[in-house]
Amino acid sequence: NAGVMQNPRHLVRRRGQEARLRCSPMKGHSHVYWYRQLPEEGLKFMVYLQKENIIDESGMPKERFSAEFPKEGPSILRIQQVVRGDSAAYFCASSPVGGSSYEQYFGPGTRLTVT
Amino acid sequence: ILNVEQSPQSLHVQEGDSTNFTCSFPSSNFYALHWYRWETAKSPEALFVMTLNGDEKKKGRISATLNTKEGYSYLYIKGSQPEDSATYLCASRKGEMIKAAGNKLTFGGGTRVLVKP
Repeated sequence: NAGVMQNPRHLVRRRGQEARLRCSPMKGHSHVYWYRQLPEEGLKFMVYLQKENIIDESGMPKERFSAEFPKEGPSILRIQQVVRGDSAAYFCASSPVGGSSYEQYFGPGTRLTVT
Repeated sequence: ILNVEQSPQSLHVQEGDSTNFTCSFPSSNFYALHWYRWETAKSPEALFVMTLNGDEKKKGRISATLNTKEGYSYLYIKGSQPEDSATYLCASRKGEMIKAAGNKLTFGGGTRVLVKP
């Protein structure tokens, strides 16, 4: 059973470009979470999605960031018009259901560098 | 405590020695406490999920305890080995009224453990 997959692992974008980060959850998992680690900081929650629904986006910046988890295919975190401050490691996690004791299994992350 | 805090930030351990470190979290509206082990350039690896006050969990030489009333958890490594070198993260989950909102994890800054041969 493959783990959570993220691609690309490294992404370089110039200021103003768009960044698309993909996350394929573990097989059988229908809940996806995105977290961000800014330089010198810990992991911070961004958004929680189920198939075709955004459940909690309380950690998402109000502008330029969006996320989706379509019925088919991976979850996508999209950052429009990237700025240097978006440079960070973005981690995706998945779980089979959203209950309290269920683990969130993490992917290896995508390291975004904005030049 | 308003946030999840871990101490110390880093520690050096001699191979064969045992060690422990702390995670403090808000005790109000507590739901679950997660521990992860994170090696550089790899995915954070789930170690434990703990929900009950007084809970103790063990995985090999690593164990954890939980005190939900006072809001802390200890992680213990017995007989440290070089392969235990990693950053250990804890994360709390609240029991929000809206169940879905309780699924997000709030992470501490981690304790970086370096085991010297």
